[in-house]
Amino acid sequence: NAGVMQNPRHLVRRRGQEARLRCSPMKGHSHVYWYRQLPEEGLKFMVYLQKENIIDESGMPKERFSAEFPKEGPSILRIQQVVRGDSAAYFCASSPGPPGGANEKLFFGSGTQLSVL
Amino acid sequence: AQSVTQLGSHVSVSEGALVLLRCNYSSSVPPYLFWYVQYPNQGLQLLLKYTSAATLVKGINGFEAEFKKSETSFHLTKPSAHMSDAAEYFCAVSDGGSASKIIFGSGTRLSIRP
Repeated sequence: NAGVMQNPRHLVRRRGQEARLRCSPMKGHSHVYWYRQLPEEGLKFMVYLQKENIIDESGMPKERFSAEFPKEGPSILRIQQVVRGDSAAYFCASSPGPPGGANEKLFFGSGTQLSVL
Repeated sequence: AQSVTQLGSHVSVSEGALVLLRCNYSSSVPPYLFWYVQYPNQGLQLLLKYTSAATLVKGINGFEAEFKKSETSFHLTKPSAHMSDAAEYFCAVSDGGSASKIIFGSGTRLSIRP
């Protein structure tokens, strides 16, 4: 059973370009979370999605960032008109069911390292 | 709002020594608490979690953590450090609600001296 798959592993963009980060959750998981990790700052929650729905996007910047998790295919985190401050590691996690309960657990991908030149 | 505070961004211990990584939480409801470990260039892996059952929680690789409500703490310990324990450790909290999310601390980097 493959784990959470993120691609690309490394992504280099110039300022003003668009970045698309992909996340395929574990088989059978319909809940996806995106986190951003900056050096010395730990992980910051960005967005929580279920299939075709955004449940909580309280951690997403109001502009340039968007996320989707379509009925078919991977979850996509999209960053438009990237700036140097967007450089970070972006991690995706999935879970088999809704948060809460004794079985709550996140399975993480290996992340996408975004570098903005 | 929930939060966790990890005291010490970097901890260094000798091989064979006790490992103690500190975490204090803030939550208006009984929390679920977690410790995750991140090895270089990898995603996070769950070490252990507290979900209101036993206050002393045992995890993988010999780690354990004790939930102390009076101190709002959930410190991570291991009696004897191994070189392979060198990694970044994250404490996390959620309120267990149907639309909750897991909030992570800023992390503690653990180094092991030979």
